[in-house]
Amino acid sequence: DAGVTQSPTHLIKTRGQQVTLRCSPISGHKSVSWYQQVLGQGPQFIFQYYEKEERGRGNFPDRFSARQFPNYSSELNVNALLLGDSALYLCASSFDRGLGNTIYFGEGSWLTVV
Amino acid sequence: AQSVAQPEDQVNVAEGNPLTVKCTYSVSGNPYLFWYVQYPNRGLQFLLKYITGDNLVKGSYGFEAEFNKSQTSFHLKKPSALVSDSALYFCAVREGSGYSTLTFGKGTMLLVSP
Repeated sequence: DAGVTQSPTHLIKTRGQQVTLRCSPISGHKSVSWYQQVLGQGPQFIFQYYEKEERGRGNFPDRFSARQFPNYSSELNVNALLLGDSALYLCASSFDRGLGNTIYFGEGSWLTVV
Repeated sequence: AQSVAQPEDQVNVAEGNPLTVKCTYSVSGNPYLFWYVQYPNRGLQFLLKYITGDNLVKGSYGFEAEFNKSQTSFHLKKPSALVSDSALYFCAVREGSGYSTLTFGKGTMLLVSP
């Protein structure tokens, strides 16, 4: 079975531009979360979506937005990119929002802002 | 608010020796604890989790972890380290209330020498 898939794997953007990252969860998983991992740190929670509704949001500015589609795939959008947005963006999925459910991560999208 | 501490930036061990990677947590409710491993330029791979029940949890690749409620710890262990175990290890916690996001520690680099 396919795991969590993310695209693109690497991208370079210029300050001020906008970026869209895409994620397909494991088949049957309804919950998708996004995390940002800056070099040398642990992943930081950005958003959680479940059944196409935002269920949680981390401490990130309004430049960050996301959505979940009827097929449970998801997009993360970041507007007005800053150098500090350079990071690995990880998508994760789980069957539902149950606390004991395992959260599985994709390989990530490496974003470099120049 | 929930938090995780990984007190060691790096752990060095010789191949064949036992290894321990330390993790302590802080939550106000019941903890749900996870260990993930990250190889260079890759996403996070799930190793094991503690939900309830037996304090010794067994996971992938021969790893296990011991939950200690009184010490609020969840240390990762392996009886005999392999060079291929060299990677970045993250401890994470979900609290038994609120929405189900993961809070990660800053990670511990494990280096296993031949």
